[in-house]
Amino acid sequence: AQSVTQLDSQVPVFEEAPVELRCNYSSSVSVYLFWYVQYPNQGLQLLLKYLSGSTLVESINGFEAEFNKSQTSFHLRKPSVHISDTAEYFCAVKRASYDKVIFGPGTSLSVIP
Amino acid sequence: NAGVTQTPKFQVLKTGQSMTLQCAQDMNHEYMSWYRQDPGMGLRLIHYSVGAGITDQGEVPNGYNVSRSTTEDFPLRLLSAAPSQTSVYFCASSAGRYNEKLFFGSGTQLSVL
Repeated sequence: AQSVTQLDSQVPVFEEAPVELRCNYSSSVSVYLFWYVQYPNQGLQLLLKYLSGSTLVESINGFEAEFNKSQTSFHLRKPSVHISDTAEYFCAVKRASYDKVIFGPGTSLSVIP
Repeated sequence: NAGVTQTPKFQVLKTGQSMTLQCAQDMNHEYMSWYRQDPGMGLRLIHYSVGAGITDQGEVPNGYNVSRSTTEDFPLRLLSAAPSQTSVYFCASSAGRYNEKLFFGSGTQLSVL
C-alpha cells in the first residue's frame, strides 16, 4: 500500500525567503504524485502534479517540485514566498492506474511579514 | 458550473444519532471519494467509488457507509455517531480513469457530542 510522509508539520518563513516543504512516499509500483494547497477555510485545490516525463514540474504561482525516484521524494520549493502563500500544503500519491489518492498529514506554511 | 456540492456545511449530532452527508457533482465524474480531515492527521480516505454501483473502502471506513446509485451523488452515512467522528469531511471527485486532478467540495464540519 502507498503512504506519504511530510516530516515538517509547521514551517514559518519570512516573506521573500525561499522555502522547501518535504514529502516522501512509499510504494512498490509506479506512482503519480501531487501537491494540493488548502487556503484558510477552503477546500483543497491542486497545485501541481507529476505523472510522467520531466521530473521537475511547476505551478503557475512559482512553486516547483522534483520527483526523485531513488530518494522516493517529491519536495516542494519556492524561491521567494509571499504572504498569500500562507496555507496548508498536502502531498498525495496514487498508483499509476485507476486508483485511490492517499494524502500526507500536511505542512502548515506561515509566511511572516 | 457548481462543481462538487456538499451539504450541510455544519452539523451537530448527539452520540448515537444517525445522519447522511450529501455530496453531488455535476461534472459527470466517474470517481468520487470521501475524506475526513483532523489536526495533525491530514486527509484520510474513508470510502471511494470508481463508478455507479461500485464502492470500496479507504483507510478509515469503520462507522461509515456509502452507496453510489447514480454518477452524480455519493452520500456518506453515519449509522451511530460517536465523538471520534467529530471532524471536517470533504467530498472529492475526478474525471476519467487516472485521477489526475481531484475537485473538492467546501467541506462539512461535524461535531458529535
